[in-house]
Amino acid sequence: DQQVKQNSPSLSVQEGRISILNCDYTNSMFDYFLWYKKYPAEGPTFLISISSIKDKNEDGRFTVFLNKSAKHLSLHIVPSQPGDSAVYFCAAATTGTASKLTFGTGTRLQVTL
Amino acid sequence: DAGVIQSPRHEVTEMGQEVTLRCKPISGHNSLFWYRQTMMRGLELLIYFNNNVPIDDSGMPEDRFSAKMPNASFSTLKIQPSEPRDSAVYFCASSLGGQGNNSPLHFGNGTRLTVT
Repeated sequence: DQQVKQNSPSLSVQEGRISILNCDYTNSMFDYFLWYKKYPAEGPTFLISISSIKDKNEDGRFTVFLNKSAKHLSLHIVPSQPGDSAVYFCAAATTGTASKLTFGTGTRLQVTL
Repeated sequence: DAGVIQSPRHEVTEMGQEVTLRCKPISGHNSLFWYRQTMMRGLELLIYFNNNVPIDDSGMPEDRFSAKMPNASFSTLKIQPSEPRDSAVYFCASSLGGQGNNSPLHFGNGTRLTVT
């Protein structure tokens, strides 16, 4: 039973355009959400997070939006760059369970020239 | 900053053999996690330790899997006997974890296990 779902296994975007990666969750106890980025042959690296008390968090080219009523979050990358090509994992946790994260299956982003 | 160090990077073994994966967390981190990545299920949490004590091992698939953390700087994940369906990439991660602490995880580069 996947509690965190990334329904798009892959996404291709032109350089300079916006990349939008989506994530849905089913567990209403989740109140902390993160995005990780993974390059081949490397471990995932933390990208950006958001607490459920917010609906938006921005860090440079990366913005995460949270819609609690829809149990949906998204990651926007603007503008997309070739170096952004990677697999992006959405993750969720419940405060009080510290860093015990539940991950989605990932979306592979390809930024083309 | 050496990061989380995992060894070996690749392991190929025959069905039935024992496999031991090793992890050195970031110095000062008090939480350690073992994850398994497969195409079908993504990143699954197998077990996590806080202050060297196993807190949640509900993700360990079978009794064939065991994990230890004898001290703050070392952990092992053992599979005995191994089976072809155990083939996956196994990641170790550490964090400054604790109750109510949302410190991000820092992952190692993983061990790619192939069981033939």
